[in-house]
Amino acid sequence: KAGVTQTPRYLIKTRGQQVTLSCSPISGHRSVSWYQQTPGQGLQFLFEYFSETQRNKGNFPGRFSGRQFSNSRSEMNVSTLELGDSALYLCASTPGGYTEAFFGQGTRLTVV
Amino acid sequence: GQNIDQPTEMTATEGAIVQINCTYQTSGFNGLFWYQQHAGEAPTFLSYNVLDGLEEKGRFSSFLSRSKGYSYLLLKELQMKDSASYLCAVPFTGGGNKLTFGTGTQLKVEL
Repeated sequence: KAGVTQTPRYLIKTRGQQVTLSCSPISGHRSVSWYQQTPGQGLQFLFEYFSETQRNKGNFPGRFSGRQFSNSRSEMNVSTLELGDSALYLCASTPGGYTEAFFGQGTRLTVV
Repeated sequence: GQNIDQPTEMTATEGAIVQINCTYQTSGFNGLFWYQQHAGEAPTFLSYNVLDGLEEKGRFSSFLSRSKGYSYLLLKELQMKDSASYLCAVPFTGGGNKLTFGTGTQLKVEL
């Protein structure tokens, strides 16, 4: 069974630009969550999608958005990039309920 | 709200035993997860405790006390490959799969 796939693995963007990250969950998993990981703040929850609907949202500004498609693949978008958005963005998929989350390798975003 | 505390760093010797503590304050409780994350890699699931007591899984064990808001991860017979960050996390009790993570404990195993 293929794991969670995130693309691209690495990305360098300039301040003010926007970026889209992609996540393909494990087959059959309908819940996809996104996290931002930085050395200072650790892993912080961005949002969760389930059956194409946002089910939970973290405390991030509106520049961070996401969506989920009918095949459960998800994308997150960050607009008007700031230097502080440089981080590892992790996607996790879950079959449902309070079960373990399976994480992708992440996308390392660097904003210059 | 949810708040989780873990030590930032720990150092232990190969072959020894180390205990990584996690304390939490949550409104409601639906269990506690432990994840391991090697540098540059994805977090991987280690354990999930929802009832009080110790659960053993090979060299790794996890303990939970709901009345004390306390958990620990016990690693026995430490190996160099156990050098990693260990993350404690609790699920949101309002539904869904939102996890609140501690900042992680960076474990360094030395010879």
